Amino acid sequence: EAQVTQNPRYLITVTGKKLTVTCSQNMNHEYMSWYRQDPGLGLRQIYYSMNVEVTDKGDVPEGYKVSRKEKRNFPLILESPSPNQTSLYFCASRRYSGTNTGELFFGEGSRLTVL
Amino acid sequence: AQSVSQHNHHVILSEAASLELGCNYSYGGTVNLFWYVQYPGQHLQLLLKYFSGDPLVKGIKGFEAEFIKSKFSFNLRKPSVQWSDTAEYFCAVRQPDKLIFGTGTRLQVFP
Repeated sequence: EAQVTQNPRYLITVTGKKLTVTCSQNMNHEYMSWYRQDPGLGLRQIYYSMNVEVTDKGDVPEGYKVSRKEKRNFPLILESPSPNQTSLYFCASRRYSGTNTGELFFGEGSRLTVL
Repeated sequence: AQSVSQHNHHVILSEAASLELGCNYSYGGTVNLFWYVQYPGQHLQLLLKYFSGDPLVKGIKGFEAEFIKSKFSFNLRKPSVQWSDTAEYFCAVRQPDKLIFGTGTRLQVFP
């Protein structure tokens, strides 16, 4: 089954404690992206990656890092989480070649609370 | 930069009522447009998309949307909603490296 898998789905942590949210897709997609969803703000892109070892900032990258060492994985790293990073995070992927339809496939979401 | 506006933040309907959710985008050139749905506690799923051709696009679950270039609009419609349509709906416009999402419309359907 084609899917984007995120872990953990729920996490409560404290300010300053480094954490990583993993994302893995099994569709051999070149493009992967992280979004955060906040009430009244919709979804905003944090980082994206066109392919292995190619990453770039989205609209709200501050406080986040990413890496793309393998095509299937795109972890989101919060080096020193702060309460304003409390949010619902979505990883997404799509093909990025030829007749790219632009349709994003989303993971189930990771709800992060930073105390 | 492109932007997307969804003016209806919260819509409450009874079952069998007709639905129309507004979506306006800011870019005047060629656009690719999407509607995504997010059921409670779930991830976003694609309802429908417009790339070119017939401006009336049909999606899953009886939804459709009409692209009106002169109005920069891509409104979502459904003739008769069901309780199971209770969800949040997001309009999005594609840029090369991302989708720009609207702030979403929360739809509640009561039996």
